[in-house]
Amino acid sequence: EAEVAQSPRYKITEKSQAVAFWCDPISGHATLYWYRQILGQGPELLVQFQDESVVDDSQLPKDRFSAERLKGVDSTLKIQPAELGDSAMYLCASSLRSTGNLAKNIQYFGAGTRLSVL
Amino acid sequence: SQQGEEDPQALSIQEGENATMNCSYKTSINNLQWYRQNSGRGLVHLILIRSNEREKHSGRLRVTLDTSKKSSSLLITASRAADTASYFCATVMNTGFQKLVFGTGTRLLVSP
Repeated sequence: EAEVAQSPRYKITEKSQAVAFWCDPISGHATLYWYRQILGQGPELLVQFQDESVVDDSQLPKDRFSAERLKGVDSTLKIQPAELGDSAMYLCASSLRSTGNLAKNIQYFGAGTRLSVL
Repeated sequence: SQQGEEDPQALSIQEGENATMNCSYKTSINNLQWYRQNSGRGLVHLILIRSNEREKHSGRLRVTLDTSKKSSSLLITASRAADTASYFCATVMNTGFQKLVFGTGTRLLVSP
């Protein structure tokens, strides 16, 4: 069964360092999402891509976070510089296409990257 | 920001018992979805209910939706130890893009 691939699974870094996470969505999925999940809470959307274009980055802290999906396939999320409060699980998800019949598409999640900032 | 609250925050039951989790949300929706998350893993989609539906079944899962009260419930019947996980509701609003807004989750522990 096709899966969303994420790497690394775990990342430990010191504050002020740069970190990057990678996501490869399910083949054929046009929409890609990055979520941040703080321990004990539900995931919160950071950025959503439709193909290579950003369609929602309203919750992305743009002073330190950036995301790209240059060829409309895999994606990278970067944090520079990392802060203590960035410690969380970063989840990537994909879906076929997020427009049209909203009740048809469901999101498939990767296993996530657990980030610890020391 | 979270769309709403889930209740209870944690639930502990014995195998064979039923588990009921409730979700409340704040704005009108296109559909509501339930996801399961095993500890330290990603989320898995369980079931989707449209705003014009009141009840839906999938195996041992039963979901209800009351749009007048802006609430939903997930019932897991005859629970198993393997059902131990966190359960999240997520809403999709009537906008152009499929944006999921998650609740705070219920942690379910099923003891053998």
